Amino acid sequence: QEQLVESGGGVVQPGRSLRLSCVASGFTFSSYGMHWVRQAPGKGLEWVAFIRFDGNNTYYADSVKGRFTISRDISKNTLYLQMNSLRTEDTAVYYCVKLYCSSTSCYEAWFDPWGQGTLVTVSS
Amino acid sequence: EIVLTQSPATLSLSPGERATLSCRASQSVSSYLAWYQQKPGQAPRLLIFDASNRATGIPVRFRGSGSGTDFTLTISSLEPEDFAVYYCQQRSNWPPTISFGQGTRLEIK
Repeated sequence: QEQLVESGGGVVQPGRSLRLSCVASGFTFSSYGMHWVRQAPGKGLEWVAFIRFDGNNTYYADSVKGRFTISRDISKNTLYLQMNSLRTEDTAVYYCVKLYCSSTSCYEAWFDPWGQGTLVTVSS
Repeated sequence: EIVLTQSPATLSLSPGERATLSCRASQSVSSYLAWYQQKPGQAPRLLIFDASNRATGIPVRFRGSGSGTDFTLTISSLEPEDFAVYYCQQRSNWPPTISFGQGTRLEIK
């Protein structure tokens, strides 16, 4: 069973940094691209970042480009999101998400499964 | 940027009734559209991808249709566990852009 467990959320002041982690299990982590998706309290979903299976390609939403960095450590089955220069509008639950694979194909930009999320609150 | 607009914002129905949820794109996304279900306090889960394909383990009462700019998620006969928020998502310009609709809340009448 594919499982994703996020950690690292908390309360941080504007302008500071935070690093989120996501430990993957139940699948071959090194073979699949991974995403971060966030959800502000009471709001909808916003895609944040993606890293391909080999780490050689990364993509970011315009709202976080230049401030956030997605990375992965294959030896630890762990996905990271380094968040710098945090803003109050970055307050959200951050979900770690694997790209979806059906019985026949994998799709980079469909999301499933999702972790349970970790809450990041940016406030002074 | 492609904007997805979902309607209605809230849909009030009873168990056993048929639900029809709409998602409209600001420009054509071909068939690159998905639907997600999110229950309170839980992460979303994928229901439909490529507009009409059910994801693994999704009951047949969930059906997706449409192409271009107009899409529909139909739940043929509502079960108590179907009351949740539903989001559509497009990947037409991937990489690097992905966008979600604002959601439709399906509540018990």
